[in-house]
Amino acid sequence: ETGVTQSPTHLIKTRGQQVTLRCSSQSGHNTVSWYQQALGQGPQFIFQYYREEENGRGNFPPRFSGLQFPNYSSELNVNALELDDSALYLCASSLDRGRTGNTIYFGEGSWLTVV
Amino acid sequence: DAKTTQPNSMESNEEEPVHLPCNHSTISGTDYIHWYRQLPSQGPEYVIHGLTSNVNNRMASLAIAEDRKSSTLILHRATLRDAAVYYCILRPPQGGSEKLVFGKGTKLTVNP
Repeated sequence: ETGVTQSPTHLIKTRGQQVTLRCSSQSGHNTVSWYQQALGQGPQFIFQYYREEENGRGNFPPRFSGLQFPNYSSELNVNALELDDSALYLCASSLDRGRTGNTIYFGEGSWLTVV
Repeated sequence: DAKTTQPNSMESNEEEPVHLPCNHSTISGTDYIHWYRQLPSQGPEYVIHGLTSNVNNRMASLAIAEDRKSSTLILHRATLRDAAVYYCILRPPQGGSEKLVFGKGTKLTVNP
Protein backbone atom coordinates (compact mmCIF):
# COMPACT_ATOMS: atom_id res chain seq x y z
CA GLU A 1 0.00 0.00 0.00
CA THR A 2 1.50 3.31 -1.12
CA GLY A 3 -1.26 5.61 0.09
CA VAL A 4 -1.79 6.89 -3.45
CA THR A 5 -5.27 6.17 -4.72
CA GLN A 6 -6.57 6.60 -8.25
CA SER A 7 -10.04 6.50 -9.74
CA PRO A 8 -11.59 5.07 -11.75
CA THR A 9 -9.58 1.88 -12.09
CA HIS A 10 -10.93 1.06 -15.54
CA LEU A 11 -12.94 2.99 -18.08
CA ILE A 12 -13.89 2.90 -21.74
CA LYS A 13 -14.39 6.05 -23.81
CA THR A 14 -15.18 6.80 -27.40
CA ARG A 15 -12.80 8.61 -29.71
CA GLY A 16 -13.35 12.38 -29.49
CA GLN A 17 -14.70 12.30 -25.96
CA GLN A 18 -13.11 13.82 -22.88
CA VAL A 19 -11.96 12.02 -19.73
CA THR A 20 -11.03 13.04 -16.19
CA LEU A 21 -8.85 10.84 -14.00
CA ARG A 22 -8.39 11.49 -10.31
CA CYS A 23 -5.58 10.96 -7.84
CA SER A 24 -5.36 11.30 -4.11
CA SER A 25 -1.75 11.67 -3.03
CA GLN A 26 -0.14 10.23 0.06
CA SER A 27 -0.85 12.27 3.17
CA GLY A 28 1.48 15.26 3.40
CA HIS A 29 2.83 14.96 -0.13
CA ASN A 30 2.68 18.24 -2.03
CA THR A 31 3.90 17.00 -5.41
CA VAL A 32 1.95 14.93 -7.91
CA SER A 33 3.09 13.65 -11.28
CA TRP A 34 1.21 11.83 -14.00
CA TYR A 35 2.56 9.18 -16.33
CA GLN A 36 1.16 7.35 -19.35
CA GLN A 37 2.12 3.71 -19.85
CA ALA A 38 1.26 2.03 -23.14
CA LEU A 39 1.17 -1.75 -23.26
CA GLY A 40 4.67 -3.23 -23.16
CA GLN A 41 6.37 0.12 -22.59
CA GLY A 42 7.76 1.94 -19.59
CA PRO A 43 5.82 4.87 -18.12
CA GLN A 44 6.19 8.23 -19.88
CA PHE A 45 6.13 11.47 -17.89
CA ILE A 46 3.17 13.73 -18.72
CA PHE A 47 3.52 16.55 -16.17
CA GLN A 48 4.07 17.40 -12.55
CA TYR A 49 2.18 19.66 -10.13
CA TYR A 50 3.76 21.24 -7.08
CA ARG A 51 1.63 23.27 -4.70
CA GLU A 52 -1.16 23.69 -7.27
CA GLU A 53 1.08 24.83 -10.15
CA GLU A 54 2.38 22.91 -13.13
CA ASN A 55 6.08 22.40 -12.56
CA GLY A 56 7.35 20.41 -15.51
CA ARG A 57 5.86 18.84 -18.60
CA GLY A 58 6.80 15.99 -20.88
CA ASN A 59 6.24 15.67 -24.61
CA PHE A 60 2.44 15.60 -24.56
CA PRO A 61 0.04 17.88 -26.47
CA PRO A 62 -2.03 20.60 -24.75
CA ARG A 63 -5.15 18.43 -24.82
CA PHE A 64 -3.53 16.74 -21.81
CA SER A 65 -4.12 19.08 -18.89
CA GLY A 66 -4.26 18.85 -15.15
CA LEU A 67 -5.12 20.42 -11.86
CA GLN A 68 -3.89 20.17 -8.33
CA PHE A 69 -6.17 21.16 -5.46
CA PRO A 70 -5.34 22.77 -2.10
CA ASN A 71 -5.42 19.34 -0.45
CA TYR A 72 -2.83 18.24 -3.08
CA SER A 73 -5.13 15.80 -4.81
CA SER A 74 -4.99 16.03 -8.58
CA GLU A 75 -6.87 15.49 -11.83
CA LEU A 76 -5.68 14.59 -15.29
CA ASN A 77 -7.93 15.70 -18.13
CA VAL A 78 -7.62 14.51 -21.69
CA ASN A 79 -9.70 16.14 -24.42
CA ALA A 80 -10.48 14.91 -27.91
CA LEU A 81 -9.51 11.35 -27.11
CA GLU A 82 -7.60 9.39 -29.74
CA LEU A 83 -7.20 5.63 -30.04
CA ASP A 84 -3.51 5.96 -29.10
CA ASP A 85 -4.50 7.44 -25.75
CA SER A 86 -5.47 3.93 -24.65
CA ALA A 87 -3.04 3.22 -21.83
CA LEU A 88 -2.50 2.88 -18.10
CA TYR A 89 -2.36 6.30 -16.46
CA LEU A 90 -0.28 6.43 -13.31
CA CYS A 91 -0.23 9.02 -10.60
CA ALA A 92 2.85 9.46 -8.40
CA SER A 93 3.27 11.54 -5.28
CA SER A 94 6.23 12.75 -3.28
CA LEU A 95 7.35 15.53 -1.01
CA ASP A 96 8.92 18.72 -2.32
CA ARG A 97 9.22 17.90 -6.01
CA GLY A 98 11.00 14.65 -5.49
CA ARG A 99 14.25 15.64 -3.92
CA THR A 100 16.59 12.75 -4.38
CA GLY A 101 16.19 11.46 -0.84
CA ASN A 102 12.42 11.44 -1.12
CA THR A 103 10.78 8.30 -2.37
CA ILE A 104 8.21 8.64 -5.13
CA TYR A 105 5.08 6.58 -4.57
CA PHE A 106 2.87 5.38 -7.39
CA GLY A 107 -0.79 4.50 -7.44
CA GLU A 108 -2.08 1.40 -9.17
CA GLY A 109 -3.26 3.37 -12.16
CA SER A 110 -6.34 3.94 -14.25
CA TRP A 111 -6.76 1.79 -17.34
CA LEU A 112 -8.24 3.83 -20.19
CA THR A 113 -9.50 2.20 -23.36
CA VAL A 114 -10.51 4.41 -26.27
CA VAL A 115 -12.71 2.79 -28.90
CA ASP B 1 17.76 12.77 -20.52
CA ALA B 2 20.46 10.37 -19.39
CA LYS B 3 19.99 6.94 -20.93
CA THR B 4 20.20 3.49 -19.39
CA THR B 5 20.46 0.11 -21.09
CA GLN B 6 19.07 -3.09 -19.61
CA PRO B 7 18.49 -6.61 -20.93
CA ASN B 8 14.93 -7.16 -22.06
CA SER B 9 14.42 -10.23 -19.91
CA MET B 10 16.07 -12.50 -17.37
CA GLU B 11 15.11 -15.72 -15.70
CA SER B 12 15.89 -17.10 -12.27
CA ASN B 13 14.95 -19.94 -9.98
CA GLU B 14 13.25 -19.40 -6.68
CA GLU B 15 15.59 -18.90 -3.71
CA GLU B 16 18.58 -18.24 -5.95
CA PRO B 17 20.35 -14.86 -6.21
CA VAL B 18 19.58 -12.63 -9.17
CA HIS B 19 21.87 -9.99 -10.62
CA LEU B 20 20.14 -7.43 -12.83
CA PRO B 21 22.61 -5.30 -14.82
CA CYS B 22 22.24 -1.73 -16.03
CA ASN B 23 24.58 0.27 -18.24
CA HIS B 24 24.60 4.06 -18.01
CA SER B 25 27.77 5.18 -19.74
CA THR B 26 26.59 8.81 -20.11
CA ILE B 27 25.84 9.27 -16.42
CA SER B 28 26.80 12.67 -15.05
CA GLY B 29 28.84 13.06 -11.90
CA THR B 30 25.83 14.01 -9.83
CA ASP B 31 23.14 11.65 -11.13
CA TYR B 32 21.73 9.19 -8.66
CA ILE B 33 20.98 5.63 -9.78
CA HIS B 34 17.48 4.54 -8.87
CA TRP B 35 15.76 1.21 -9.30
CA TYR B 36 12.03 0.72 -9.45
CA ARG B 37 10.05 -2.41 -10.16
CA GLN B 38 6.57 -2.94 -11.47
CA LEU B 39 4.64 -6.03 -10.51
CA PRO B 40 1.85 -7.18 -12.84
CA SER B 41 -1.17 -4.87 -12.75
CA GLN B 42 0.45 -2.47 -10.29
CA GLY B 43 2.21 0.87 -10.39
CA PRO B 44 6.01 1.07 -10.12
CA GLU B 45 7.51 0.55 -6.70
CA TYR B 46 10.74 2.07 -5.38
CA VAL B 47 13.45 -0.51 -4.70
CA ILE B 48 16.73 1.22 -3.95
CA HIS B 49 19.00 4.08 -4.98
CA GLY B 50 22.65 5.09 -4.68
CA LEU B 51 25.30 7.52 -5.86
CA THR B 52 28.75 5.97 -5.58
CA SER B 53 28.89 3.45 -2.77
CA ASN B 54 27.14 0.11 -2.70
CA VAL B 55 23.82 0.22 -0.89
CA ASN B 56 21.75 -2.36 0.95
CA ASN B 57 18.16 -2.32 2.15
CA ARG B 58 15.57 -4.89 3.10
CA MET B 59 14.57 -5.46 -0.51
CA ALA B 60 17.85 -5.60 -2.39
CA SER B 61 21.46 -4.51 -2.77
CA LEU B 62 22.86 -2.09 -5.32
CA ALA B 63 26.40 -2.52 -6.57
CA ILE B 64 27.81 0.49 -8.43
CA ALA B 65 30.90 0.23 -10.62
CA GLU B 66 33.85 2.39 -9.67
CA ASP B 67 33.50 4.48 -12.84
CA ARG B 68 29.71 4.64 -12.28
CA LYS B 69 29.03 3.62 -15.86
CA SER B 70 27.16 0.53 -14.78
CA SER B 71 25.34 -0.87 -11.79
CA THR B 72 23.78 -4.14 -10.69
CA LEU B 73 20.67 -4.74 -8.65
CA ILE B 74 21.04 -7.83 -6.53
CA LEU B 75 18.14 -9.83 -5.16
CA HIS B 76 19.75 -12.19 -2.70
CA ARG B 77 17.06 -14.88 -2.74
CA ALA B 78 14.48 -14.53 -5.45
CA THR B 79 10.88 -15.34 -4.60
CA LEU B 80 7.89 -15.71 -6.89
CA ARG B 81 6.75 -12.32 -5.68
CA ASP B 82 9.89 -10.76 -7.20
CA ALA B 83 8.66 -11.51 -10.72
CA ALA B 84 8.30 -8.03 -12.18
CA VAL B 85 9.74 -5.53 -14.64
CA TYR B 86 12.78 -3.81 -13.13
CA TYR B 87 13.68 -0.29 -14.23
CA CYS B 88 17.05 1.39 -13.78
CA ILE B 89 16.68 5.18 -13.79
CA LEU B 90 19.08 8.11 -13.46
CA ARG B 91 17.94 11.10 -11.41
CA PRO B 92 19.65 14.44 -10.96
CA PRO B 93 20.25 15.39 -7.32
CA GLN B 94 18.26 18.57 -7.19
CA GLY B 95 14.51 18.62 -6.85
CA GLY B 96 12.61 20.71 -9.33
CA SER B 97 11.10 17.97 -11.35
CA GLU B 98 9.89 14.57 -10.36
CA LYS B 99 10.33 13.40 -13.93
CA LEU B 100 11.50 9.83 -14.05
CA VAL B 101 12.69 8.62 -17.44
CA PHE B 102 11.75 4.95 -17.75
CA GLY B 103 13.15 2.65 -20.41
CA LYS B 104 11.59 -0.72 -21.18
CA GLY B 105 13.24 -2.33 -18.17
CA THR B 106 14.12 -5.97 -17.56
CA LYS B 107 11.33 -8.47 -17.18
CA LEU B 108 12.34 -10.94 -14.48
CA THR B 109 10.75 -14.36 -14.49
CA VAL B 110 11.16 -16.47 -11.35
CA ASN B 111 10.69 -20.21 -11.73
CA PRO B 112 9.41 -22.28 -8.79
